Amino acid sequence: GAGVSQSPSNKVTEKGKDVELRCDPISGHTALYWYRQSLGQGLEFLIYFQGNSAPDKSGLPSDRFSAERTGGSVSTLTIQRTQQEDSAVYLCAVTSGASYNEQFFGPGTRLTVL
Amino acid sequence: AQSVTQLGSHVSVSEGALVLLRCNYSSSVPPYLFWYVQYPNQGLQLLLKYTTGATLVKGINGFEAEFKKSETSFHLTKPSAHMSDAAEYFCAACIYNQGGKLIFGQGTELSVKP
Repeated sequence: GAGVSQSPSNKVTEKGKDVELRCDPISGHTALYWYRQSLGQGLEFLIYFQGNSAPDKSGLPSDRFSAERTGGSVSTLTIQRTQQEDSAVYLCAVTSGASYNEQFFGPGTRLTVL
Repeated sequence: AQSVTQLGSHVSVSEGALVLLRCNYSSSVPPYLFWYVQYPNQGLQLLLKYTTGATLVKGINGFEAEFKKSETSFHLTKPSAHMSDAAEYFCAACIYNQGGKLIFGQGTELSVKP
């Protein structure tokens, strides 16, 4: 959606390298979510942030994955020592105060690990 | 554990025919339910949602869905398919007091034949 941008749009990396994926949400959002879309697993929840609460990391597939949200706004998803199975489209979504149960998705980052 | 099942990974209809995409959920408490559409090389767009109240909900582009608690279903329908409806459709559920993270079905690819 128009309220969420993600960068880069495409990322090709070599196995074993670290990557950072960025999500720039609209100001005033209430919660921020990361999902992964892959051929084998479909759409999976990874992590979410809301206010000053500790993030819910229950969907992260391994300890190579981490995320942070700085200043309650921009979020970065980091994947360390990338593996081929990490290849997927990584989606960021946010909710706003006006519609707390409706998530607006960004266009995604397509990650390819060679 | 909460889960969402979409029956049929591919559905093909003729232009002007009824569209019916099936979704069933499993949850210990009534979830919020959503249908999202993803056009080729685009992000997820919300079609419609059910939270509380009227069980028949109308969305964009002429789509509607009915929440049937007794059948744990939330099927998506459109009376008359249009070529522009060709896309992938995802049913999703969330439990609000569990942070709103979405659990997605595997998706149904809709093809519309002229």
